[in-house]
Amino acid sequence: QLQLQESGPGLVKPSETLSLTCTVSGGSISSSSYYWGWIRQPPGKGLEWIGSIYYSGSTYYNPSLKSRVTISVDTSKNQFSLKLSSVTAADTAVYYCASSVAVAGFDIWGQGTMVTVSS
Amino acid sequence: DIQMTQSPSSLSASVGDRVTITCRASQSISSYLNWYQQKPGKAPKLLIYAASSLQSGVPSRFSGSGSGTDFTLTISSLQPEDFATYYCQQSYSTLLFTFGPGTKVDIK
Repeated sequence: QLQLQESGPGLVKPSETLSLTCTVSGGSISSSSYYWGWIRQPPGKGLEWIGSIYYSGSTYYNPSLKSRVTISVDTSKNQFSLKLSSVTAADTAVYYCASSVAVAGFDIWGQGTMVTVSS
Repeated sequence: DIQMTQSPSSLSASVGDRVTITCRASQSISSYLNWYQQKPGKAPKLLIYAASSLQSGVPSRFSGSGSGTDFTLTISSLQPEDFATYYCQQSYSTLLFTFGPGTKVDIK
């Protein structure tokens, strides 16, 4: 059974770069079946897709965040990562990693990790 | 960009009620529409994919319909564990996903 787990700092200073890692267990990140994605949810608000990556390294980003986002994959560690630069308080959110079979929805989710942007 | 709207934004219902939630896309998305359930403090759970396909393990009281721009999630007989927020998500634009704003279902 595929499982995902987010990790990274819970507090980031304004203007700095938010960095999170998602560790995949119970399956290979190199599987051609899956896309790996990041989704966030500000407190009390809805879901926002940040971006997705295929094991080959192909990336797809939300246009509204594209200039600040980098998603990468490390097949040797079975992990994929999110970097969001120049953060502000508006980037405070629960960040989820998730897997999707192409366009058939995100079927496996991590538990989420709260990231607060504050000095 | 494809924008998603949902109605209502919230509703109150009783156990056993039939509940219908609507999702509308700003342009045709064929059947590239997924539905999620989220409970407080938990990650979302995929209920329906491709507009009407039930995700494995999801109770059959959940169903989805629609195509083009208008979609519906129906809960045939609301159960206590169904009180949650429901989100639609389009996956028509090649890996450029958009979620709807959500519909909160609470106890009447």
